[in-house]
Amino acid sequence: NAGVMQNPRHLVRRRGQEARLRCSPMKGHSHVYWYRQLPEEGLKFMVYLQKENIIDESGMPKERFSAEFPKEGPSILRIQQVVRGDSAAYFCASSPTGGDNQPQHFGDGTRLSIL
Amino acid sequence: GDSVTQMEGPVTLSEEAFLTINCTYTATGYPSLFWYVQYPGEGLQLLLKATKADDKGSNKGFEATYRKETTSFHLEKGSVQVSDSAVYFCALAYGNNRLAFGKGNQVVVIP
Repeated sequence: NAGVMQNPRHLVRRRGQEARLRCSPMKGHSHVYWYRQLPEEGLKFMVYLQKENIIDESGMPKERFSAEFPKEGPSILRIQQVVRGDSAAYFCASSPTGGDNQPQHFGDGTRLSIL
Repeated sequence: GDSVTQMEGPVTLSEEAFLTINCTYTATGYPSLFWYVQYPGEGLQLLLKATKADDKGSNKGFEATYRKETTSFHLEKGSVQVSDSAVYFCALAYGNNRLAFGKGNQVVVIP
């Protein structure tokens, strides 16, 4: 009965490198959400995906950030040319459907540190 | 836009004390409301939810009532334990099931 699996748990990158964060949703869940948590802040919505489709990316920065959820395999959040301000905890959540009453189940997050 | 406001600052209290964490929201329509709890180094766990006005969500001794007239969803627990020490987030669901979170409250329970 695996929950939402995120890896890596911790990721260290130097400025200018690329960061790839992975998320495998709970079994039977086809809706994935990514959130970012800055220090001492609440989580901020970034992007909502279904298999092979981006449904809502209104919270994603316009540059350097992208997300995908392929037909096979985990969802990937990609950050190109990372900067210090990208240091944060990135959480993935999943739900079985996209309705507003569906609670989202969260992974343990990836803590990204930029040197 | 839709948003959630939580009371400022950490909450420190003794074991068996009464806990209240205030949460108010701004939204168009009637969103579903949630409380999530985050233990150190972990992700968020759903604590309870309410989907319409006057609904009361409850779990593990925690309760919150969806108050439309005051746009509030305050979290309460009658007798806290040390194991309740965590960060608590209030959230609402809006458009495409996105969640808007409050800033969270660190709760520290002292034995």
